[in-house]
Amino acid sequence: EVQLVDSGGGLVKPGGSLRLSCAASGFTFGNYNMNWVRQAPGKGLEWVSSISSSSIFIYYADSVKGRFTISRDNAKNSLYLQMNSLRVEDTAVYYCVRDVSNCFDPWGQGTLVTVSS
Amino acid sequence: QSALTQPASVSGSPGQSITISCTGTSSDVGGYNYVSWYQQHPGKAPKAMIYDVNNRPSGVSNRFSGSKSGNTASLTISGLQAEDEADYYCSSYTSRATWVFGGGTKLTVL
Repeated sequence: EVQLVDSGGGLVKPGGSLRLSCAASGFTFGNYNMNWVRQAPGKGLEWVSSISSSSIFIYYADSVKGRFTISRDNAKNSLYLQMNSLRVEDTAVYYCVRDVSNCFDPWGQGTLVTVSS
Repeated sequence: QSALTQPASVSGSPGQSITISCTGTSSDVGGYNYVSWYQQHPGKAPKAMIYDVNNRPSGVSNRFSGSKSGNTASLTISGLQAEDEADYYCSSYTSRATWVFGGGTKLTVL
């Protein structure tokens, strides 16, 4: 079964840092581009970042550029999101998502990040 | 990158058909055939329903179909069922090699 398991969320103060992880199983992780998508409480989906299969191509939403860093370890079947200088508006559920020929499928279960003093 | 424009809500009775629109620009929806649609039930992760404008992932009912004309894409659900009640989001690839989502549409099955 293809599965993505998100972890690493929690409560952090404004200006703090957090590292999210996504463990992949059931497919050849190194063959796929991967993404992070977030959803603020009661709001819509917002694409955050993408990384190509070999980490050569990396892109960020303007809202997180310069503060967040996406990375992956194909040997460990894992995707990461290092989040620095966190703001209250970064509060959201963060989903790890596989890109299958321009289709986001499947999605992880999500991990909640709360930025509050 | 501005979000794609979707109606906030749509509704329909069981058995009817509904269509949800998704309007972007020539830099996203109009410029690429990389429009996808996602269904999200409350408290759940989104699920892919349509990709590349009009393709269904394996296992998705053929009651779901997609189309595009110019800068506007559409999702049509035919033979509405109670289980279709959910939030629906469109998404498109952009000229900046990023992705953009619509604001979401709440579908109510009357």
